[in-house]
Amino acid sequence: DAGVTQSPTHLIKTRGQQVTLRCSPKSGHDTVSWYQQALGQGPQFIFQYYEEEERQRGNFPDRFSGHQFPNYSSELNVNALLLGDSALYLCASSLVGTGDPNYGYTFGSGTRLTVV
Amino acid sequence: SQQGEEDPQALSIQEGENATMNCSYKTSINNLQWYRQNSGRGLVHLILIRSNEREKHSGRLRVTLDTSKKSSSLLITASRAADTASYFCATGPYGGATNKLIFGTGTLLAVQP
Repeated sequence: DAGVTQSPTHLIKTRGQQVTLRCSPKSGHDTVSWYQQALGQGPQFIFQYYEEEERQRGNFPDRFSGHQFPNYSSELNVNALLLGDSALYLCASSLVGTGDPNYGYTFGSGTRLTVV
Repeated sequence: SQQGEEDPQALSIQEGENATMNCSYKTSINNLQWYRQNSGRGLVHLILIRSNEREKHSGRLRVTLDTSKKSSSLLITASRAADTASYFCATGPYGGATNKLIFGTGTLLAVQP
């Protein structure tokens, strides 16, 4: 049973560049959420995608955008990278379609982004 | 912003001892979940407790929830070196169709062999 798969695992980008991170949800899950975790902090919610639409968004600027594909996989795009965007980016999948909000998430191993 | 505050920030114990970490949160919740994170990698879901539950057990884990005090605790009994990790509480907000999680600041647990 494949869990959540994220790629790449590590990435180094230069300030001002753009980056795309990818996530494949756990089999049977239909919702993908993205979180940013700075060093020494808890994860911060970026946004959530369900039925190919952004359903909810955290306090992140428009430089952060996403997409969900018909197969439920998702991408996180960050434009005009800043040094402060350096973090571990986590993707989490869940099953919202049942309407039960009490399912736990399944997290991927994350993508470590370093902006230099 | 992070809603949860965890206490202590760091905890060091000997193998075989019990470890207790606490979490406080600010708003009404639907559920509270605990996650483990090893070496800054992915989060592993440990246990979920609903707002109408007061205590839940899973193996060596015991979670309590006090919604009147907006607090929760995670007890790990008979700890092992493999339990060394960061532990985060996360709340699922009450209401709404999404299950966005709001994480606490985490407790770093070190279990000495």
